Amino acid sequence: ETGVTQTPRHLVMGMTNKKSLKCEQHLGHNAMYWYKQSAKKPLELMFVYNFKEQTENNSVPSRFSPECPNSSHLFLHLHTLQPEDSALYLCASSQGELLRNEQFFGPGTRLTVL
Amino acid sequence: DAKTTQPPSMDCAEGRAANLPCNHSTISGNEYVYWYRQIHSQGPQYIIHGLKNNETNEMASLIITEDRKSSTLILPHATLRDTAVYYCIVRVVSGGSNYKLTFGKGTLLTVNP
Repeated sequence: ETGVTQTPRHLVMGMTNKKSLKCEQHLGHNAMYWYKQSAKKPLELMFVYNFKEQTENNSVPSRFSPECPNSSHLFLHLHTLQPEDSALYLCASSQGELLRNEQFFGPGTRLTVL
Repeated sequence: DAKTTQPPSMDCAEGRAANLPCNHSTISGNEYVYWYRQIHSQGPQYIIHGLKNNETNEMASLIITEDRKSSTLILPHATLRDTAVYYCIVRVVSGGSNYKLTFGKGTLLTVNP
């Protein structure tokens, strides 16, 4: 247990569906991240939130819409996805003020788009 | 952030030391070396980081060459549960800021019984 939880763990959706991924951290961190990990590709950073403000959008298509209502919760809203969006979506958090600044990752949501 | 180069895969016998190399020849003076690992079907896990001195914690040791162009992560007594992809990442760290991790392909370490 890393203190970062993600739900659901597995999700299958059609291209016309709307779904949301949820991430919650119980570590008191101020930064949260969404990463995408496709098969046989490195992890790709998607979004960074620092104190609820989005500080980085790594050229992510608009069919992915993040939301950070508070420092403990992060959502990724999904709409009209493509089959190539099937991947493992990982959430992470960190405490930026510390030099160590390690990121704690959740277990991920395995997404399949049909 | 500086680019890193790691071998795609390595094998290690259980109970022996695993030495995972990383080249980061373009590292700049304010960039740290971080190591993470990802066990199959789990999120990445922080292992250790350093700037120029060798570091040791309960999980591993990090040896950084004097010119800082390469480093080695050492797992002193590898177990089967250490089988994972190991990522070497270099990045700037500055107090009060959050900096992204740029993951490469890493090294798949397989610990054999």
